[in-house]
Amino acid sequence: QVQLVQSGSELRKPGASVRVSCKASGYSFTTYAMNWVRQAPGQGLEWMGWISTNTGNPTYAQGFTGRFVFSLDTSVSTAYLQISSLKPEDTAVYYCARESGSDYASDYWGQGTLITVSS
Amino acid sequence: DIQMTQSPSSLSASVGDRVTITCRASQSISSYLNWYQQTPGKAPKLLIYAASSLQSGVPSRFSGSGSGTDFTLTISSLQPEDFATYYCQQTYSTPQTFGQGTKVEVK
Repeated sequence: QVQLVQSGSELRKPGASVRVSCKASGYSFTTYAMNWVRQAPGQGLEWMGWISTNTGNPTYAQGFTGRFVFSLDTSVSTAYLQISSLKPEDTAVYYCARESGSDYASDYWGQGTLITVSS
Repeated sequence: DIQMTQSPSSLSASVGDRVTITCRASQSISSYLNWYQQTPGKAPKLLIYAASSLQSGVPSRFSGSGSGTDFTLTISSLQPEDFATYYCQQTYSTPQTFGQGTKVEVK
């Protein structure tokens, strides 16, 4: 069965970096693009962008350029989100989500990774 | 960017009620509209894609309709497990955008 398993919660100080992993199983990893979605505490869903798992080409939404990097390791079917120069406002749950072929909906989601940025 | 506006932001309902949530796009998005359900502490779950197509495994009490700018999610008979927050999402153009969410609470 399709699964996306994300790495565990992280606590970082402002200015530090963090990397979230999203390991896919149960399907051909390079067939479906991967979206990244942020959810701040008590807030709604915010699309961060996506990465083509075929070419590795990332696309970032406005507000997620510069400090945010999407990458892949196709040999282990894993997508990564790296955030540098962390700020307290980056505190959120970050989700990876597989983009289906059906009108680009996200049909499978990781369980989410809570990143807390606090001194 | 395309703005997605859901209404209401919250509603109170009882088990067995028919519930309707609307989502309006700031410009036409054809049928590139998806609906998700999220319960506290859990990842969103895809319910409806392409405005009216039921995702595999989702109960048939959920249905979606609409095209262009106006869309509706209907739960025909609310069940205890349906108390959650629902989000619409447009995938017509980048950036994909979500509505602000509709929380369905126990009356």
